[in-house]
Amino acid sequence: AQKITQTQPGMFVQEKEAVTLDCTYDTSDPSYGLFWYKQPSSGEMIFLIYQGSYDQQNATEGRYSLNFQKARKSANLVISASQLGDSAMYFCAMREGAGNQFYFGTGTSLTVIP
Amino acid sequence: EADIYQTPRYLVIGTGKKITLECSQTMGHDKMYWYQQDPGMELHLIHYSYGVNSTEKGDLSSESTVSRIRTEHFPLTLESARPSHTSQYLCASSPPGSYEQYFGPGTRLTVT
Repeated sequence: AQKITQTQPGMFVQEKEAVTLDCTYDTSDPSYGLFWYKQPSSGEMIFLIYQGSYDQQNATEGRYSLNFQKARKSANLVISASQLGDSAMYFCAMREGAGNQFYFGTGTSLTVIP
Repeated sequence: EADIYQTPRYLVIGTGKKITLECSQTMGHDKMYWYQQDPGMELHLIHYSYGVNSTEKGDLSSESTVSRIRTEHFPLTLESARPSHTSQYLCASSPPGSYEQYFGPGTRLTVT
């Protein structure tokens, strides 16, 4: 079974609008961490936001927030007030337990339209 | 913010050649990782290290090897390159007590 599922291969959003990128995960370990990364066309991976499985509140970092619904095993990324520079691939990832194995989803390509 | 470097950025090489992809970080991070990413696809962990003299294989089988003789240096070696090794290779590191990964710019490898 896939550890991380991103069901939206491509998304479009109007500049200044908000957009939600979906991510669901699969684990039986009670301790895990969820991450979102941005990958522009230049290829580097940029860390955006982190949510721990025991965190009570949803993580926020500037215009990024993580909608963490533990019972549904979802960790959607919300980008508010989209900018043209937000156009990129976005990857959801998970680390299980205390290990150093990371699992990445297949990514969502976001295009911001002027 | 971590400074993590990868060289070369781009490499085109013939089948059968031995290559080493370099990765260095200057922030004293204990954990380092190598990922393989085909165009438009997810990242697959191929190697990771907890610290000096500690290396483990990731979930994707790889014919490459790694070494961690110094904290800041985590090179990846392919003894005999094949066209199936054509991919992007991303190096990352995490500081002590954290699992946030900071990525290098990547090496795009083409084996002809």
